[in-house]
Amino acid sequence: DTGVSQDPRHKITKRGQNVTFRCDPISEHNRLYWYRQTLGQGPEFLTYFQNEAQLEKSRLLSDRFSAERPKGSFSTLEIQRTEQGDSAMYLCASSPRGGPEAFFGQGTRLTVV
Amino acid sequence: AQRVTQPEKLLSVFKGAPVELKCNYSYSGSPELFWYVQYSRQRLQLLLRHISRESIKGFTADLNKGETSFHLKKPFAQEEDSAMYYCALSGNSGGYQKVTFGTGTKLQVIP
Repeated sequence: DTGVSQDPRHKITKRGQNVTFRCDPISEHNRLYWYRQTLGQGPEFLTYFQNEAQLEKSRLLSDRFSAERPKGSFSTLEIQRTEQGDSAMYLCASSPRGGPEAFFGQGTRLTVV
Repeated sequence: AQRVTQPEKLLSVFKGAPVELKCNYSYSGSPELFWYVQYSRQRLQLLLRHISRESIKGFTADLNKGETSFHLKKPFAQEEDSAMYYCALSGNSGGYQKVTFGTGTKLQVIP
């Protein structure tokens, strides 16, 4: 499968624990997005990378959230001290250079208990 | 700021009936508009884009800049069209392209 890959697909964690998700974009896509989707809502923008540079971070992201894309390829999203309100589907998408459309991964479903 | 509005959370139609999923946008420049679809238990995927002016699975969408709309239409709904549909806008935000989504409309085609 040469599409966007996310790992893990599902994560159940206890409140207060830290979690980290990984996204592998389509090869040579220089742009990478993280979105969060809750039940009944569309994808909400969280953050955006162009190559290794993080160009925007949504106000939705508190200081407990951090994202990296160290070599301009895969990206990680870490949530520290998880809260029940963090329970959601976390989606990663990538876009090719010069192309506006986003290609999505399957998502990581986080459940905080 | 860019914004996408999908006023209907749920649209139920009978098989064979026409379908129109509404999308309105707010953006100061020239936007690129898309429709994404998410079938049950599948990932979000691109359905069509306004630039290509194509018909995919019988769906079409016309960008109306005067009404800032990009409604998705199909003349005869099929059961397999049942899914979540998201309208999306790609616009320039601070010097780069940002994709913003609407809240989605669930299309339910009744046999």
